[in-house]
Amino acid sequence: DQQVKQNSPSLSVQEGRISILNCDYTNSMFDYFLWYKKYPAEGPTFLISISSIKDKNEDGRFTVFLNKSAKHLSLHIVPSQPGDSAVYFCAASRSGNTPLVFGKGTRLSVIA
Amino acid sequence: KAGVTQTPRYLIKTRGQQVTLSCSPISGHRSVSWYQQTPGQGLQFLFEYFSETQRNKGNFPGRFSGRQFSNSRSEMNVSTLELGDSALYLCASSRDRHIMNTEAFFGQGTRLTVV
Repeated sequence: DQQVKQNSPSLSVQEGRISILNCDYTNSMFDYFLWYKKYPAEGPTFLISISSIKDKNEDGRFTVFLNKSAKHLSLHIVPSQPGDSAVYFCAASRSGNTPLVFGKGTRLSVIA
Repeated sequence: KAGVTQTPRYLIKTRGQQVTLSCSPISGHRSVSWYQQTPGQGLQFLFEYFSETQRNKGNFPGRFSGRQFSNSRSEMNVSTLELGDSALYLCASSRDRHIMNTEAFFGQGTRLTVV
């Protein structure tokens, strides 16, 4: 039973355009959500997070939107750059000391 | 400061053997978590250690075990290896288990191949 789902295994976007990566979750107890970025042969690195008390969080070119009623979040990257090409993982947690639950990832390719 | 260090980086083992992977967390970090990454399943939680005690365990068979030492370094062990254990094993450290997981830093992982 997959609690965090990233239904698009891959996404290709032209440089300068917007990249939108989607994530759905089933566990209504999740109240903290994170996006991680992973390059080949490296561990995931934290990108941006959002608490369930918010519906938007922005950090430079990266914005995460949370729709609690739909149990859906999305990561927007504007403008997309070739260096953004990586696998993006969505993760969720219940506040406090619970382990992160990850989606299977979406491979983003930004084409110059 | 030095990041999370995992050793070895690559490992090839034969079915039925056992393997031990090591993780040295960032200095001052007391929580260590282990994840298994496979192409089909993404990152799956194995276990979490804090102050030498296992605090959480994922849904993996008893062949997977771990421990944490007084200096916060952690090891995980997989016995009676199966082909399906081939994966990237990732370790993440954080200062305290009661903070938001933004503080979790991942190592580069150990790529285990079982033949």
